[in-house]
Amino acid sequence: DAKTTQPNSMESNEEEPVHLPCNHSTISGTDYIHWYRQLPSQGPEYVIHGLTSNVNNRMASLAIAEDRKSSTLILHRATLRDAAVYYCILRDRRGKLIFGQGTELSVKP
Amino acid sequence: GAGVSQSPRYKVAKRGQDVALRCDPISGHVSLFWYQQALGQGPEFLTYFQNEAQLDKSGLPSDRFFAERPEGSVSTLKIQRTQQEDSAVYLCASSLAGVNSYNSPLHFGNGTRLTVT
Repeated sequence: DAKTTQPNSMESNEEEPVHLPCNHSTISGTDYIHWYRQLPSQGPEYVIHGLTSNVNNRMASLAIAEDRKSSTLILHRATLRDAAVYYCILRDRRGKLIFGQGTELSVKP
Repeated sequence: GAGVSQSPRYKVAKRGQDVALRCDPISGHVSLFWYQQALGQGPEFLTYFQNEAQLDKSGLPSDRFFAERPEGSVSTLKIQRTQQEDSAVYLCASSLAGVNSYNSPLHFGNGTRLTVT
């Protein structure tokens, strides 16, 4: 299974943008890049996913490098409710998600 | 709307006891996944079903772990002769499409926290 590398933790100020990086240098051509987040005492929650092109939805944006070896999850205006562990995951044709350690995001008021 | 429901929310078992953890997926979801999450770690894959068929059980840590989904809806994860190292949160997730449709997001429940004493 292809692996991802994320910083262990990041800090942000409330109402400022947050850029969460992810490296996936061994990604294969058919792997989708998925992001999930996990709030304390809850199960993971789907955020966004993409293959090659940048993607936007109501929660976030996903910027994918041209060579697909890295991607960045962008939260446009962080709120206190965005404090969570963010997981960058490569999902292959077998369909199961293989989680790494994720990035713990803290948001300061 | 109704999400993935797991019960019980908390379970305390004495070492050696058998436990059964239940997952009610979102109605109509074809795929169902079980994950184990130790404290401070990311979730680890255990097994998944497409309808009633268990297509991958490669993540089950030992033959004490058994999962079933007999009618393609509710699933049960059973752990026999529990050990202290089985203490973890057990997460269930469902997905609308078949597992090879890797475009389809997973919807997770809030898990069952198992503590083995």
